[in-house]
Amino acid sequence: EPEVTQTPSHQVTQMGQEVILRCVPISNHLYFYWYRQILGQKVEFLVSFYNNEISEKSEIFDDQFSVERPDGSNFTLKIRSTKLEDSAMYFCASSEGISTAEQYFGPGTRLTVT
Amino acid sequence: KNEVEQSPQNLTAQEGEFITINCSYSVGISALHWLQQHPGGGIVSLFMLSSGKKKHGRLIATINIQEKHSSLHITASHPRDSAVYICAVRWEGGSARQLTFGSGTQLTVLP
Repeated sequence: EPEVTQTPSHQVTQMGQEVILRCVPISNHLYFYWYRQILGQKVEFLVSFYNNEISEKSEIFDDQFSVERPDGSNFTLKIRSTKLEDSAMYFCASSEGISTAEQYFGPGTRLTVT
Repeated sequence: KNEVEQSPQNLTAQEGEFITINCSYSVGISALHWLQQHPGGGIVSLFMLSSGKKKHGRLIATINIQEKHSSLHITASHPRDSAVYICAVRWEGGSARQLTFGSGTQLTVLP
């Protein structure tokens, strides 16, 4: 069964460093999403992406964040200058289309900022 | 602000018991997801529904659109069902594609 994959599974970085989290969505999916979950809190929406551009973003997704689909398969989330409060589990998801709203989640990347 | 509320927050059951987890939401939705989050953190989609009832194995999900309420039932629960169960909704109207998540229900099934 096709699945969303994410790398790395765990990333440790120092405050102020740039990190790139990588996702490979399901191959025929057109919509891509990033969510995050701070330890002990709800999962929160960050951004959705379609047709090579951001379609929606939340208040959390400020100028420190960016997303890119650099090739036909990868979908990346970049945090330019990490802060301690960026420590969280980051989930990528993808869906076939807006009318077929089921989203399939990747296993997540645990980001620890020290 | 549109809200998703889950109950109970924590649930402990004996193996074999019938489990019910509830989700209510504040305004109209176009879809509701039930998700399972494993102890390691990974999220698995169990169901997506917009009306009626769906069944997969021992899991049953129902939704009542008029009452803005959904339930997830687990029949003949087993220790391997221990996980956090999360309700997430996609609000009706507008261009919103994002999901809004509940706080989750921590289920522990004891042998």
